[in-house]
Amino acid sequence: KAGVTQTPRYLIKTRGQQVTLSCSPISGHRSVSWYQQTPGQGLQFLFEYFSETQRNKGNFPGRFSGRQFSNSRSEMNVSTLELGDSALYLCASSLGLANRQETQYFGPGTRLLVL
Amino acid sequence: GEDVEQSLFLSVREGDSSVINCTYTDSSSTYLYWYKQEPGAGLQLLTYIFSNMDMKQDQRLTVLLNKKDKHLSLRIADTQTGDSAIYFCAEMLNTGNQFYFGTGTSLTVIP
Repeated sequence: KAGVTQTPRYLIKTRGQQVTLSCSPISGHRSVSWYQQTPGQGLQFLFEYFSETQRNKGNFPGRFSGRQFSNSRSEMNVSTLELGDSALYLCASSLGLANRQETQYFGPGTRLLVL
Repeated sequence: GEDVEQSLFLSVREGDSSVINCTYTDSSSTYLYWYKQEPGAGLQLLTYIFSNMDMKQDQRLTVLLNKKDKHLSLRIADTQTGDSAIYFCAEMLNTGNQFYFGTGTSLTVIP
């Protein structure tokens, strides 16, 4: 089985721009979660999508949004980029079965640098 | 969010055992996980334990869970230089498919 893939792997943007990151989950996985990882804040949960619906949400401003397609692929978008958005963005996929043992499998991440 | 705490750094000599500790706050955790992150890479699942278990062993890895104290540990036997990485503990609550990650412990193995 192919693992979780994320594109692009690296991205450089300037303040005020917007960016879209893509994540393809493991085949058969219906849940995709997004995380932001920075040296200062660690790994912070952004949101989780399941069956094209946002099921869980972390404490990030509305500039961070996402969506999921019918094939479970997910995108996240960050508008009006700020310097502090520079981070490694990780996505993780799982079957999405709540209240049962779940394992999240992570992609390699997209490293975003905002100048 | 939930608080999952880990010490930031650990340094051990090659061949010794490493013990990485984690404390969590939510007693409704159902599963607890250990992930490894090597430089420039995503997170790799190492092992997990169900909350009604006390211990789980998987080759060089031993996970101990003290549910009363909400304390989780990962012991790596015969630590090798390839074990140098950041280790994250994570909990999954029974309220849904949401994971909370610890701050990560950077393990350095000295040859």
